[in-house]
Amino acid sequence: RKEVEQDPGPFNVPEGATVAFNCTYSNSASQSFFWYRQDCRKEPKLLMSVYSSGNEDGRFTAQLNRASQYISLLIRDSKLSDSATYLCVVNKGDYKLSFGAGTTVTVRA
Amino acid sequence: ETGVTQSPTHLIKTRGQQVTLRCSSQSGHNTVSWYQQALGQGPQFIFQYYREEENGRGNFPPRFSGLQFPNYSSELNVNALELDDSALYLCASSAGGQAADTQYFGPGTRLTVL
Repeated sequence: RKEVEQDPGPFNVPEGATVAFNCTYSNSASQSFFWYRQDCRKEPKLLMSVYSSGNEDGRFTAQLNRASQYISLLIRDSKLSDSATYLCVVNKGDYKLSFGAGTTVTVRA
Repeated sequence: ETGVTQSPTHLIKTRGQQVTLRCSSQSGHNTVSWYQQALGQGPQFIFQYYREEENGRGNFPPRFSGLQFPNYSSELNVNALELDDSALYLCASSAGGQAADTQYFGPGTRLTVL
């Protein structure tokens, strides 16, 4: 079983729409959680950390459900510039980050 | 920009050859992690260097090796290249040796093995 699993999508949404997707992680000892964004053929960039109480950063809302071992990301009022692959990332308190394969989001005009 | 640089940008090698990839970390960062990202996959952790010592290793064979220098720049060496080594190789720098610290990625080196 993979450490982090994501729905690959693609999610194809119109501008202004809300899109949400989840990822699941296998290790219940995981301690830190992140969403990274990766544009085509570019490096991953940190979008936001995910906290147990849930957190928002502008149009982006992240939630963590430890009991069910999943993390979600919701994007409100989608912009064309939100088109990217979103990587779910988990750390169990050691030296490495474990990445999912990514969820592709395409926002159309 | 993150301030993390990698060289070369692209590289083409043949099976059995050896390759060295380089990474300069962001100023003030003493930790470098290396990842391999195959097409359509997420980055996979290769190893991490903290203050010139290997701090942890992922599930990669010994022909993947590395170094970190006193200025905290780093090299990834791959011997006996195989076709499956074709991928984007990313380095990420951070401060403090903990994966939970924010990691800043370089632009990557795209390696093609023929």
